[in-house]
Amino acid sequence: DAGVTQSPTHLIKTRGQQVTLRCSPKSGHDTVSWYQQALGQGPQFIFQYYEEEERQRGNFPDRFSGHQFPNYSSELNVNALLLGDSALYLCASSFNGLYLNYEQYFGPGTRLTVT
Amino acid sequence: GNSVTQMEGPVTLSEEAFLTINCTYTATGYPSLFWYVQYPGEGLQLLLKATKADDKGSNKGFEATYRKETTSFHLEKGSVQVSDSAVYFCALSGDSGGSNYKLTFGKGTLLTVNP
Repeated sequence: DAGVTQSPTHLIKTRGQQVTLRCSPKSGHDTVSWYQQALGQGPQFIFQYYEEEERQRGNFPDRFSGHQFPNYSSELNVNALLLGDSALYLCASSFNGLYLNYEQYFGPGTRLTVT
Repeated sequence: GNSVTQMEGPVTLSEEAFLTINCTYTATGYPSLFWYVQYPGEGLQLLLKATKADDKGSNKGFEATYRKETTSFHLEKGSVQVSDSAVYFCALSGDSGGSNYKLTFGKGTLLTVNP
């Protein structure tokens, strides 16, 4: 059973460019969340997608946008990259079952470096 | 809003020593509590969880008890191994309102276990 997968593993972009990161959820999961983890910090919630819609959003600017596809996979897009966007981007998947406090399973992350 | 405070590291122990990593939280309602572990160069792995007051989560010799009266969820292990060296994150999610889907993380505690 494949877990959460993310691509690419590493990415180097120049300030002002745009980037797209991809995530495939664990089998049986229908909800995808994205987190940003700066070096030496805990992950910060960006947003969550369920039923192809953004369900909740953290304190991130509109430069950060996302999408969820009918097969539950997801993309994170960041426009007009800033040096401060350099971080590990983590995708987490979960199942929107009967209980709201469900577990989130994380992928290995995409390391984004903005130069 | 919700927040998690972890004891600051790094923590350095000898093999077979007793481990405690303190975690306290601020949240409305009745969140679920989690400990995640991140090994070097990897994503986050769920270590254990507790979903209601007085619940004890346990896994791989690690334990943590959900204490609502002290708003704490301290991580303990009786005898650490070199392979336990990693960064440990305390996190919470959900509340009685049912609208908080995100995980809120502490800053993480780096544990190094020496042989």
